[in-house]
Amino acid sequence: GENVEQHPSTLSVQEGDSAVIKCTYSDSASNYFPWYKQELGKRPQLIIDIRSNVGEKKDQRIAVTLNKTAKHFSLHITETQPEDSAVYFCAASPNAGGTSYGKLTFGQGTILTVHP
Amino acid sequence: GAVVSQHPSWVICKSGTSVKIECRSLDFQATTMFWYRQFPKQSLMLMATSNEGSKATYEQGVEKDKFLINHASLTLSTLTVTSAHPEDSSFYICSASLITQGSGAFFGQGTRLTVV
Repeated sequence: GENVEQHPSTLSVQEGDSAVIKCTYSDSASNYFPWYKQELGKRPQLIIDIRSNVGEKKDQRIAVTLNKTAKHFSLHITETQPEDSAVYFCAASPNAGGTSYGKLTFGQGTILTVHP
Repeated sequence: GAVVSQHPSWVICKSGTSVKIECRSLDFQATTMFWYRQFPKQSLMLMATSNEGSKATYEQGVEKDKFLINHASLTLSTLTVTSAHPEDSSFYICSASLITQGSGAFFGQGTRLTVV
């Protein structure tokens, strides 16, 4: 099955700095890679996603890059703000249709702390 | 985006009793839903895939007789934790996906189960 590794486990930055979180995956059949932000006791919130036919995607301060050959993808947050502090999870999914559609394998999570 | 509603948001039960958690897709039909478990400070781990009108598919290590899943309609999946024990205390979250390009997984609010 799929295995997703996420690093670092904790990340501390100053407000205004950039933050980068990296993930690797093992299953070449995975073709959908979402990133979630989770606040304590809440459900994961999708912040950005990318599909395997795209190498980079950006949404305001957030960007994701994908290197399918190397099987790794990264989340980039620029101009970080204290409200960005949360746990971030990467995930991978085959999204190939049928009952596997939407089935996610998550990374271990990164606790991001943005200091004012 | 699509809405997935989960109920209850928290429950406390005594050891040996059973607890039922509901997951509903409110504005779309979901032939497949997923149940995840998240222990404190850990990632989300897939427990099972809930298939409408057929048996659920359980991940390795998840006891199907302990975690009963029923997906009787296109908008409702239920997870029943039978004979609950303190080690079953966890955050249980369901998700569903739209079978269309460009959509990802939508999560319920999660259920905090505490077994005393």
